[in-house]
Amino acid sequence: AQSVAQPEDQVNVAEGNPLTVKCTYSVSGNPYLFWYVQYPNRGLQFLLKYITGDNLVKGSYGFEAEFNKSQTSFHLKKPSALVSDSALYFCAVRATLDTGRRALTFGSGTRLQVQP
Amino acid sequence: DAGVIQSPRHEVTEMGQEVTLRCKPISGHDYLFWYRQTMMRGLELLIYFNNNVPIDDSGMPEDRFSAKMPNASFSTLKIQPSEPRDSAVYFCASSLDRGTYNSPLHFGNGTRLTVT
Repeated sequence: AQSVAQPEDQVNVAEGNPLTVKCTYSVSGNPYLFWYVQYPNRGLQFLLKYITGDNLVKGSYGFEAEFNKSQTSFHLKKPSALVSDSALYFCAVRATLDTGRRALTFGSGTRLQVQP
Repeated sequence: DAGVIQSPRHEVTEMGQEVTLRCKPISGHDYLFWYRQTMMRGLELLIYFNNNVPIDDSGMPEDRFSAKMPNASFSTLKIQPSEPRDSAVYFCASSLDRGTYNSPLHFGNGTRLTVT
């Protein structure tokens, strides 16, 4: 089975401060990992993904994420938060090799609130 | 590119009625996914198609739910009969993946279904 845990329902950060949204995963073998963002009344939008190679992945809007295999984590980060980053963030995982052809499994989401 | 188009955006119906949700994926995409989002259960995969063929429907909650993809540019999700617990936002997503399972999903803006 594959699963994702986002331990924080909400993260609050002041504008200009660095932000981290946490994600841990469980999967057999190596993972494909993704971050998506959801704004109110909209569908999810892709931010970035890890497939293989460099553990630090850079994505849209200045976001980046670090893959840590030993800690089975893929935390989302940004050096300086903007009020416009306030949204719901989802981590997702899939095993690279899955004979059952399962699709992505999403976490429960973390609401990021950036205060001016 | 108009993105993934879902209709209607909002649907309010009475318990027992048939509901049909529609999705037009991005042209050329080979995978189509139906997800359901609720506060209690988060984002759940209902079913996905590859080249119009259903691959995994294990997430379809009951026989009341059915999905079809008669051609590459159209899919429907039908609930018959509908129940209040079906109230949720239903998302359609598509991707151009070619079996790698690591391509980003492109989501529509969803259909908010309310069953009274």
